[in-house]
Amino acid sequence: NAGVTQTPKFQVLKTGQSMTLQCAQDMNHNSMYWYRQDPGMGLRLIYYSASEGTTDKGEVPNGYNVSRLNKREFSLRLESAAPSQTSVYFCASRSALSSYEQYFGPGTRLTVT
Amino acid sequence: ELKVEQNPLFLSMQEGKNYTIYCNYSTTSDRLYWYRQDPGKSLESLFVLLSNGAVKQEGRLMASLDTKARLSTLHITAAVHDLSATYFCAIQGGSEKLVFGKGTKLTVNP
Repeated sequence: NAGVTQTPKFQVLKTGQSMTLQCAQDMNHNSMYWYRQDPGMGLRLIYYSASEGTTDKGEVPNGYNVSRLNKREFSLRLESAAPSQTSVYFCASRSALSSYEQYFGPGTRLTVT
Repeated sequence: ELKVEQNPLFLSMQEGKNYTIYCNYSTTSDRLYWYRQDPGKSLESLFVLLSNGAVKQEGRLMASLDTKARLSTLHITAAVHDLSATYFCAIQGGSEKLVFGKGTKLTVNP
C-alpha cells in the first residue's frame, strides 16, 4: 500500500496563477483532509471531506476550493495564487477504526512569488 | 473555540537527560494524538490516547492523558540524538476535525 500520495512535491507559482494539488489514498478511508503548515503555526485545516460527494470548510478556507473526485482522491485548487499561500500543504485521510487516526501524505511545498 | 497549547515550543537537551513536553487543551475531547515530524518530512503518528488515564510507551517516549485536567504529557527518558524532531499534539475537535498545537522543536545535543 502506498498510503497517502500527493503531487507535485514542489511548485513555484507567480501571483495570480492557478494550480491544483492532487491527493490520493489507497486505504479505503472515507474522510480526507487538506492542511497547511506555516512556521510556528502548527497545522491548520483548510477543507475536509467526510465522504465521497461532501466537502466542508475548515479553519482557513479562503482562497481555496476542493473536489472529492471519488473515494480515493481529494484535490485542492488555488484559483488565483497569492504570496500568503506560500506554505507546505499536507493531505491526510482518516481511519474508520475507533482511534480515528489520521495518516498524512508527504506534502507539497508551494512558493508563490 | 478549541485551543491546544504546547510547551515548551523549543527544547534543547543533552543526551541522557529526561524531560517532559506538555499539551493543554481548552475543551473536552476524548481523543488525543501525538505526532513526530522530522525536518522537511511529513507527520508520523506516535501515540493515540483514547481515555482518561491512558498511558502508552514506545522506546524512550511515554505519553499520558488526563482528561479531567485537559492535559497530556510526552515524557522523554534518557534522550538520544535520534529523538531530535518536532512533536505535535492534536485533539479531536469535532466529528471530523483535528486541532493541532504549534509543536515543540526538540534538539538533543551530544
